[in-house]
Amino acid sequence: QQQVKQSPQSLIVQKGGISIINCAYENTAFDYFPWYQQFPGKGPALLIAIRPDVSEKKEGRFTISFNKSAKQFSLHIMDSQPGDSATYFCAAPTGVNQGGKLIFGQGTELSVKP
Amino acid sequence: DAGVIQSPRHEVTEMGQEVTLRCKPISGHDYLFWYRQTMMRGLELLIYFNNNVPIDDSGMPEDRFSAKMPNASFSTLKIQPSEPRDSAVYFCASSLVGTSVHNEQFFGPGTRLTVL
Repeated sequence: QQQVKQSPQSLIVQKGGISIINCAYENTAFDYFPWYQQFPGKGPALLIAIRPDVSEKKEGRFTISFNKSAKQFSLHIMDSQPGDSATYFCAAPTGVNQGGKLIFGQGTELSVKP
Repeated sequence: DAGVIQSPRHEVTEMGQEVTLRCKPISGHDYLFWYRQTMMRGLELLIYFNNNVPIDDSGMPEDRFSAKMPNASFSTLKIQPSEPRDSAVYFCASSLVGTSVHNEQFFGPGTRLTVL
């Protein structure tokens, strides 16, 4: 079964530090790699996404880095803030013409200490 | 738009009882997904619909689980009979594929189910 493997499971970072979460995927046909952010008691929400024809995408303090040859992509949160404390999920589509069906990683619980 | 609406937000029931979870997707969205989230198994896709038709139910754990989408604005996930191991947060999500490069899924607030 196709998987998306995410690490670490949990992460503690000091305010102002850099948070890095990694994901590895298997299917080279994947064409879209989103990251979702989930706050306690809420549903996940799309944070940022990248297509494999670019190596990096930046939106504010959030950056996705993509390494196609290694089949890995990562989320970098610069100048991490306590408000960034949440669970982060990487995801990938399960295949072509799957109607946006996604496989999610196991999640990383990020805690940013003040 | 109110976003994806789920009800109830919390459900506590006893083992053996029937549980029905409800979802109203975002108007105009053509895909609807049901997920289950637990600490042990993370976020699992149970079933998804396209234009009210079930496309993939391979994630439905057992015959005790069933889902329907009688029209474009309503879906239900039913568990009968419920068991303590069904305790989890159940999310509904919807998307409109084709109009956005991201095929973004919009999640509801979830239903926290506790089976005693």
